[in-house]
Amino acid sequence: SQTIHQWPATLVQPVGSPLSLECTVEGTSNPNLYWYRQAAGRGLQLLFYSVGIGQISSEVPQNLSASRPQDRQFILSSKKLLLSDSGFYLCAWTGGGYGKNIQYFGAGTRLSVL
Amino acid sequence: AQKITQTQPGMFVQEKEAVTLDCTYDTSDPSYGLFWYKQPSSGEMIFLIYQGSYDQQNATEGRYSLNFQKARKSANLVISASQLGDSAMYFCAMRVITGANSKLTFGKGITLSVRP
Repeated sequence: SQTIHQWPATLVQPVGSPLSLECTVEGTSNPNLYWYRQAAGRGLQLLFYSVGIGQISSEVPQNLSASRPQDRQFILSSKKLLLSDSGFYLCAWTGGGYGKNIQYFGAGTRLSVL
Repeated sequence: AQKITQTQPGMFVQEKEAVTLDCTYDTSDPSYGLFWYKQPSSGEMIFLIYQGSYDQQNATEGRYSLNFQKARKSANLVISASQLGDSAMYFCAMRVITGANSKLTFGKGITLSVRP
């Protein structure tokens, strides 16, 4: 069966420090991968998605970037964190194609920028 | 552009009773999918139920059912026999099926509290 892993679960970082959040999927190949951010008490905002290795689409201009160095690995990065980068970050995957394409989510990372 | 609207304030339900969570959507595309997710306090988004725009019958998954009214553009989630573990945020989402990439548009969510 397919599983998705995200780490770390929580992170406290000072303003101006770098960021690297990792997401990996097991049990499938060539998944579509997504990074979302959720502000406290709000819905999900799509940040990046990827349909293949090295293919990244950005939905919102911001201080963050994403990379997909391997088929089942998706990384969210920043060179210098801002206070506004605080939030709950969720990674998701789907099989792609034209079916239901249910997105399955990881457990998330709570990021606090101080 | 696609839009999902969830306007109910926090909802309360007595344990073992049924509850309906409202969701309306807006799209001009004829082919789309509607999803409901549950987010407990731990934060993980848990998929509950899916309804395709061409599905003739309302979707059901155990205690969850989706009351799909296409002409009114509503996709309400019905939870029967509520349990204490149903207390969580619930999100409605939509995907327009125009390509292989399944980008979802989410609503702002509804908080459900189940009372013992």
